[in-house]
Amino acid sequence: AQTVTQSQPEMSVQEAETVTLSCTYDTSESDYYLFWYKQPPSRQMILVIRQEAYKQQNATENRFSVNFQKAAKSFSLKISDSQLGDAAMYFCAYRTPQSSGSRLTFGEGTQLTVNP
Amino acid sequence: DTEVTQTPKHLVMGMTNKKSLKCEQHMGHRAMYWYKQKAKKPPELMFVYSYEKLSINESVPSRFSPECPNSSLLNLHLHALQPEDSALYLCASSHPLYGYTFGSGTRLTVV
Repeated sequence: AQTVTQSQPEMSVQEAETVTLSCTYDTSESDYYLFWYKQPPSRQMILVIRQEAYKQQNATENRFSVNFQKAAKSFSLKISDSQLGDAAMYFCAYRTPQSSGSRLTFGEGTQLTVNP
Repeated sequence: DTEVTQTPKHLVMGMTNKKSLKCEQHMGHRAMYWYKQKAKKPPELMFVYSYEKLSINESVPSRFSPECPNSSLLNLHLHALQPEDSALYLCASSHPLYGYTFGSGTRLTVV
C-alpha cells in the first residue's frame, strides 16, 4: 500500500519570504501522480500543483513550485513571496493512474502560518 | 463548469433523523467519491463510484448509504447517526489523468 508522510505538522513564514514544505512517499509503482492541496479555514480543498511521475521537469504554478526527486521518493513544495492568503493546511497526496476511481492517499498535513 | 456542488452546506440532525447529502458535477467525470474529514486531519475515503457503480466501500457503517442515480449526481443517505459522525463530508470527482475536484463540503453536526 502507498503511504504519504509529511514530517512538519506546523510551519511558519514571514510575508514575502520563501518556505518549503516536505513530503515523502512510499510506493512500488513506477507511474503515478503527486499533488499538493491547500485547505484554508473555509475548508475548501484546492488543488495547488500536480506532478506526473514520468516527467523529470518539476511542476510550477506561479509562486508555487515543487522539487520532485523520484529516486528519493520526495516531493517538496516551495512557496515564494508568501502572502497572507497562503495561510492554510497543506496536504501532499498520491494517486495511481487508473481508468476511473483511483484512491487519493493523503499525508497528515502541514499547517502553514504566514506572519505579517 | 468546473465545480462540484454540495448541498446543504451545514446540517444539524438528531440521532433518530434521516437526512441526505447531495453532490453534483457537470465535468463529465466518471468517478465520484465521498470523504469524511475531522478537524486538522486529512480526508478519509468512504466510498468510490466508478461509472455509477460502487467500486470501493471502506468498511463504512451501514448508517451511511451512498447512491449514484446518474453520472452527475451522488447522494449520501444518513440514518441513526452517532455524535462521533459529526464531521465535514466532502464530495469529489476525478478525471483518470488529473487530480480530484472537491466540493466545498457539508458540515454535519449530530446532536
